[in-house]
Amino acid sequence: EPEVTQTPSHQVTQMGQEVILRCVPISNHLYFYWYRQILGQKVEFLVSFYNNEISEKSEIFDDQFSVERPDGSNFTLKIRSTKLEDSAMYFCASEDRSYEQYFGPGTRLTVT
Amino acid sequence: AQKVTQAQTEISVVEKEDVTLDCVYETRDTTYYLFWYKQPPSGELVFLIRRNSFDEQNEISGRYSWNFQKSTSSFNFTITASQVVDSAVYFCALSEGYGGATNKLIFGTGTLLAVQP
Repeated sequence: EPEVTQTPSHQVTQMGQEVILRCVPISNHLYFYWYRQILGQKVEFLVSFYNNEISEKSEIFDDQFSVERPDGSNFTLKIRSTKLEDSAMYFCASEDRSYEQYFGPGTRLTVT
Repeated sequence: AQKVTQAQTEISVVEKEDVTLDCVYETRDTTYYLFWYKQPPSGELVFLIRRNSFDEQNEISGRYSWNFQKSTSSFNFTITASQVVDSAVYFCALSEGYGGATNKLIFGTGTLLAVQP
């Protein structure tokens, strides 16, 4: 069964560094999402991506964040200058035409 | 505004007990989807069910059942004869609209279910 994959599973970085989180969505899906979950809290929407552009973003998704689908398969989330409060689990999801979102296993980002 | 409320922060039951997890939602849309996800200690999000706003039929899948009531804006989840493997955080979520450029999920705060042997 096709699945969403994310790399790395765990990323440790120093405050102020740039990180890129990678996702490979399911191949025939059209909608892509990033969500964030701070430890012990709920899952929060960050951004949605459709037709090679951002379709919606939350207040969390400020200028430090960017998304890209550089080669038609990978879907990346970049954080330009990480802060301690960016430490969280980041989930990628892709969605098919039946509006069911398939989540990846997540990347745990630790900013020290 | 969209909102999902899971008032139960933690529930502890003994194996074989039935347990119901509550979910109340708010939306101005007439068309929307409701979801339940399970998050075991390993951290991944496991899809359990999707229900659209036009279908109020209750659903049963093995030991799991869901009760959707538009009149009370609730979408409750019952586990019958709970097992230790059911121990996890359970999230209810809402998505508005059909076929737009975004169908973002709005999650509740989750209910931590602990099933004791």
